[in-house]
Amino acid sequence: GQNIDQPTEMTATEGAIVQINCTYQTSGFNGLFWYQQHAGEAPTFLSYNVLDGLEEKGRFSSFLSRSKGYSYLLLKELQMKDSASYLCAALDSNYQLIWGAGTKLIIKP
Amino acid sequence: GAVVSQHPSRVICKSGTSVKIECRSLDFQATTMFWYRQFPKQSLMLMATSNEGSKATYEQGVEKDKFLINHASLTLSTLTVTSAHPEDSSFYICSARGLGQGVSETQYFGPGTRLLVL
Repeated sequence: GQNIDQPTEMTATEGAIVQINCTYQTSGFNGLFWYQQHAGEAPTFLSYNVLDGLEEKGRFSSFLSRSKGYSYLLLKELQMKDSASYLCAALDSNYQLIWGAGTKLIIKP
Repeated sequence: GAVVSQHPSRVICKSGTSVKIECRSLDFQATTMFWYRQFPKQSLMLMATSNEGSKATYEQGVEKDKFLINHASLTLSTLTVTSAHPEDSSFYICSARGLGQGVSETQYFGPGTRLLVL
């Protein structure tokens, strides 16, 4: 079956760095997405990785290892507004997005 | 770029009535639109995928006669919840994928519609 695993909840301190991990098992693979979703709002796109390696975009970076079925989202210089759920989603061989349940990130002052 | 709008943002209706939700891609043409539902504190659940000019493909367990989807143009898809009941109360979110950019192109989400059926 197809499966995405990511931690349910994480807590970090304002100004610190946090890494949110995601492992995936899909029938075929055409890339991995990270989305941010604030409570009561729709998801917003953060990143897309299809090749191995690290993609940096400001305070946020996303890493992919296809051989390990593994990705992480790295958030630096955490701000209170980064408190949100972070959704990992993998694109399978049918180009369907398989969604993880999301990681709720709590930022403390 | 890549802005998706949804209307209405919030709707309250009586049980048994029908509700139509519109999803528009404002600055790009969307060959494919997706409809999701999300219950409180739960993950996104894909309901259906719609391609412009063709019938929508529904996920298992989603009643196509209850959730009518129309994707009549490259910028507009509608979801009609027919004979709504309280258990249909949820957050409905659409997303759109661009024209001519390949099936791996990013899905951009609308702001969502919160439906409450009394």
